[in-house]
This record gives sequence, structure tokens and C-alpha cells, in this order.
Amino acid sequence: EIVMTQSPATLSVSPGERATLSCRASQSVTDNLAWYQQKPGQAPRLLIYDASTRATGIPARFSGSGSGTEFTLTISSLQSEDFAVYYCQQYDNWPPYTFGQGTKLEIK
Amino acid sequence: VQLVQSGAEMKKPGESLKISCKGSGYSFASYWIGWVRQMPGKGLEWMGIIYPGDSDIRYNPSFQGQVTISADKSISTAYLQWSSLKASDTAMYYCAKHGTGYDAFNIWGQGTMVTVSS
Repeated sequence: EIVMTQSPATLSVSPGERATLSCRASQSVTDNLAWYQQKPGQAPRLLIYDASTRATGIPARFSGSGSGTEFTLTISSLQSEDFAVYYCQQYDNWPPYTFGQGTKLEIK
Repeated sequence: VQLVQSGAEMKKPGESLKISCKGSGYSFASYWIGWVRQMPGKGLEWMGIIYPGDSDIRYNPSFQGQVTISADKSISTAYLQWSSLKASDTAMYYCAKHGTGYDAFNIWGQGTMVTVSS
């Protein structure tokens, strides 16, 4: 099983600033990596797939990068609605397609 | 395109349960549908997945034997069932489908909360 490790566990950032979230895989997942956003009481929402492709309707301030074992989600200018929990997921090797443990992005 | 899940359930330990996930707006048989567990205050866990077209199923080894995944493509519905619930099964359960050309979950159901308590 591929283990996904996200850092940091909690990130405090002010509105308007840039946020950078990291995700590391225990072995290469090539570019088979997704990022999800989850707000309290809601289902997760797909933000990025194939490491860097924005899903339909996702604002351009969200960008993904990386390949192999190291990945980054960047939110260029944080809006109030962006404060949430973010998960990465690998879909290179199954079962299972594993999730990271999440990064909580909170208002500073 | 949407996935609509059945409603919240309250059960006792040892009882059985089957929850559902109905797809609409797309070719249900042509996309893998997975189940994801989220225990209270915790992260996402990939439980398993089914391809409704031929009922090919892959389980997370951690959940193999604990749950059963199935689907009825004639009514565009996937299922997750337990034969004997435990208190530790208390969680929110989401269904979600793969995207076109990639295996991330692009559409999610609203979730079904399962509470197991004596």
C-alpha cells in the first residue's frame, strides 16, 4: 500500500496571502495524484487531478505541481471560502487508492 | 451528473445494513464507483470500488470481509452493506465516481451517516 503523507497538519494563513500545501508518496505515483477540498458538513470536492489539471469550475488561484513522490497544492491568494481541509490522493496503484491524512487550512 | 445516497441510519451492534448510491445524468455502467469512509473528526479512507458494467470489485484489504460492495446497473445504483455492524462502523460514508480518463473521484454523493449504538 502506498502511504501518502501531508504537511503541515495545520496551516495558518491570512486572507489574500499564498498557501502552499505538500503531499509526499512512499513510492512513485507518477502524476496520478488528486487534491480535494472538504468544508465542514460537506462532501469532498475535486480540485486537481493528474497532479496539475484543475477540475471543472475550479478557480485559477488553485494550482497543483509535482510528479513522482513530491506534490504541492498552491492557493495563490486566499479567499474566505478557501479555509477548509485539503486531502491528496494517489490513484497510481490499487487497491487501495490511498488518501493523505489531510491539511487543515485555517485563518491566521 | 449526480450521486444521491440513502438517508442516515441508526442501528444496533450486530444488525445488518445496506446503504445505496443512485447515479444520474451519465452512463452509470461505464464508470467505477467507490466508497469512502470518514469516521467522526477523521480523514478519508478508500474502502473499495465497483465497475457496474461487469461488477468487477476491488476492496481495500483493510475492509475486505467487513463490507460488501455491489451494484445494479439496471437501476443505476451502487450499494454498501454490512452483515453485522459494530460500534466502530459509526461514520459518514460517501460514494463517488471516477472521472473520464482519470481515476480521481470527480463527483461525490452527499454522504450517508451510519450510527451504531446499543
